Formats: sequence, structure tokens, C-alpha cells
Amino acid sequence: AQSVTQPDIHITVSEGASLELRCNYSYGATPYLFWYVQSPGQGLQLLLKYFSGDTLVQGIKGFEAEFKRSQSSFNLRKPSVHWSDAAEYFCAVGNQAGTALIFGKGTTLSVSS
Amino acid sequence: DAMVIQNPRYQVTQFGKPVTLSCSQTLNHNVMYWYQQKSSQAPKLLFHYYDKDFNNEADTPDNFQSRRPNTSFCFLDIRSPGLGDAAMYLCATSRAGGNEQYFGPGTRLTVT
Repeated sequence: AQSVTQPDIHITVSEGASLELRCNYSYGATPYLFWYVQSPGQGLQLLLKYFSGDTLVQGIKGFEAEFKRSQSSFNLRKPSVHWSDAAEYFCAVGNQAGTALIFGKGTTLSVSS
Repeated sequence: DAMVIQNPRYQVTQFGKPVTLSCSQTLNHNVMYWYQQKSSQAPKLLFHYYDKDFNNEADTPDNFQSRRPNTSFCFLDIRSPGLGDAAMYLCATSRAGGNEQYFGPGTRLTVT
């Protein structure tokens, strides 16, 4: 079955520290992978995506993610977290046909000063 | 700026009273989606339109219907809202054959 797992429900990081949010997927075909961010009461904003090519992808707001096929992972990273990064982060997988996205359950990021 | 717009942002309805949520887009995308997101959960796809072709997810309750009168607009109708239908409803769009979905800000539905 197709699924996305985000093992960490809640993470707290000090401002200025590095961040890594984990995402593992189970998908039968070539996965199209996404990271979205959701601030409280808001919709989802796309941070970055991976379709093919270079396995290290750069996104907005200083985020990057690395696709590792052997580990079925697509972890999100940021070298230095800002207080404004506090939000809910969702990893998602889609297919080539461009239909439904399957979301993970999300990771809540808190940033401490 | 091209965008996905949802109205209203907050909607309160009574148990059993029909309610309609609205989504419009200026991206001229072929595909429009409706997701339901309950508190602290992942968004769950209810259905999507590929142009005028309606695609319902197998586990979407019959209580939920949708209309797409033209490319720009899509509506979510809940015929008889129950307390369990209280959630954030997210509209998204994508290009035909594209995978990247663009989300609106959502409508928070409260059922009293």
C-alpha cells in the first residue's frame, strides 16, 4: 500500500540550530515527492519537490531535501532555523498521473529562543 | 498574482443544515481538488475534477458533493453536516499532467 511516514510528531529546535525532519515513503512506482508547510489556520505552501535528477533539491526559505531511494526517504533540512519556521510540515508523495497526493501525518516544529 | 481563493475563510453551520464552500482560481489549471483536514491530521482527498470529469474517492461519504461550473470555480456542498464534518477544507489546483498542487488558505467549518 502507498504510504508516507513522518516518524516525529513534534520537534523543538533552538533558533539558529540545524533542523532535519524525517520522511519515509512506500510507493510502487517512481515517486514524486513534496514537502509542504502549514502555518496555523492557513493552507499548505509548497517548500520543494523532487521528480527526478539531482537527489538534493533546494526549496524556498532556505530549505533543502535529499532523496535516497535505497532508504525510501526524503528528509527535509535547514542549516539554521528561524522563529518564523515554527509550523506544521507535511511530506507527500504523488504519481506521474498527477492525481491524489498522499500525505504523512505531519511534524509540528517549535522553535525555542 | 495567480492564486487559489477560498470563501468564506470561516463558516459556521448548524447540524443538518446544508452548506456550500467556494473555491476559485486564477491559475487556469485543469485539475481542482477538495481535501478535508481534521485537527492535527493530514489532509485527506475527498474528490477532484479533471476539467469537467468528476473523480470521487472511494471512501468519501455521499453527504459530500461537488460542482465545477467552469474552469475557475469549484464548490463543495455538504448536504447534511454532522458534528464529525467539522474540519478545515482545502482546495487545491494543478495543471493537467502536473504533480505540483497549489493550495488555497482553507475554510474552517464549524458545526453546531
